[in-house]
Amino acid sequence: SQKIEQNSEALNIQEGKTATLTCNYTNYSPAYLQWYRQDPGRGPVFLLLIRENEKEKRKERLKVTFDTTLKQSLFHITASQPADSATYLCAPVTGGGNKLTFGTGTQLKVEL
Amino acid sequence: GAGVSQSPSNKVTEKGKDVELRCDPISGHTALYWYRQSLGQGLEFLIYFQGNSAPDKSGLPSDRFSAERTGGSVSTLTIQRTQQEDSAVYLCASTPGTHSGRLNTGELFFGEGSRLTVL
Repeated sequence: SQKIEQNSEALNIQEGKTATLTCNYTNYSPAYLQWYRQDPGRGPVFLLLIRENEKEKRKERLKVTFDTTLKQSLFHITASQPADSATYLCAPVTGGGNKLTFGTGTQLKVEL
Repeated sequence: GAGVSQSPSNKVTEKGKDVELRCDPISGHTALYWYRQSLGQGLEFLIYFQGNSAPDKSGLPSDRFSAERTGGSVSTLTIQRTQQEDSAVYLCASTPGTHSGRLNTGELFFGEGSRLTVL
């Protein structure tokens, strides 16, 4: 069955460092992959989308990579700030699928 | 409105009662999703509507759950005879829609959710 794995343990890093979050998937051949941010008590907010033919995508301090051989996406936040503290969700999407399936998310805590 | 609107934001009900949760998507968005998020858990897909096509109900956990989308806009998720395990945040999302029945690559716009507590 299709499975999406994100680190269930919270990731604690120091302000200014680079945070790296991992999304692994199995039994999928996603055409693209989306990343969302979710703050407590709020709905998820879209951050980035990367397609299968793209190795890397950047947006301001965010960078996403997509390795279809390893079946993995990495999400990086450079120069992290306490305001980046949130849960980050990945969602690999197959080209013919209608339902976006999400990983369980990784909680990031950026400390001063 | 500018975003996806959900109501009520909080609902406390007694076991066995029926509840209705409402979602008002972004104007013009033809695709609408319902997800459920239990405490500390990921998003669980429930149901998907796309235009006038038959909805994808494959995620509904039991026949106590149903959803409608009237006029291609507002959607209502109904839970009959609620159970304590139904307690969760119910999230609605919309997106501009699909091309030839395939999911577009665009983002989902989520509402803030309806928190349901079944006592």
